[in-house]
Amino acid sequence: GDSVTQMEGPVTLSEEAFLTINCTYTATGYPSLFWYVQYPGEGLQLLLKATKADDKGSNKGFEATYRKETTSFHLEKGSVQVSDSAVYFCALSRGNQFYFGTGTSLTVIP
Amino acid sequence: KAGVTQTPRYLIKTRGQQVTLSCSPISGHRSVSWYQQTPGQGLQFLFEYFSETQRNKGNFPGRFSGRQFSNSRSEMNVSTLELGDSALYLCASSMRTGASYNEQFFGPGTRLTVL
Repeated sequence: GDSVTQMEGPVTLSEEAFLTINCTYTATGYPSLFWYVQYPGEGLQLLLKATKADDKGSNKGFEATYRKETTSFHLEKGSVQVSDSAVYFCALSRGNQFYFGTGTSLTVIP
Repeated sequence: KAGVTQTPRYLIKTRGQQVTLSCSPISGHRSVSWYQQTPGQGLQFLFEYFSETQRNKGNFPGRFSGRQFSNSRSEMNVSTLELGDSALYLCASSMRTGASYNEQFFGPGTRLTVL
């Protein structure tokens, strides 16, 4: 069945460091791929998305490219800020069925 | 436009009791999905309701059930609570069109603690 595997955390980085959170997926067909972010005490918010192979999603300095050949959708940011501290979830969707990874906790220290 | 609202935000119950959680979707959204979030398992899909009908179901025991009303509001019920049911229960709404994907908008969740 469809599934998502993402890098386990927690991840701790210094401010302005480079961030990569790995995500790979297993799915039949051509799913859409997402990154969601969850700040403490809140629900999940959509961070970025890509709906077909080679699409690059981007938002707030974060980027991820839909790589069908490697079934990956790694999240990157060139310079993280303290305010980026949150839990990040990779997800795939076909239609209205979503599958989430287990989440990666990121802490950015000043 | 108001976001997804969930009530109550926090609940404390004891083993064997039952609980009902409520979710009001974004106006115009007719699909409501429920997820259980735990530290070890991440987000696990419970079920999805659309037009008052359950459309998809995750791998949870029959103690977990739900329903949707004509105004798209949804409730989920957990009977005979177990300690392992302690979790954050998230509700997400979407428009559920025929598009290849439908963005889900999440509520803040209901934190259930079973003692």
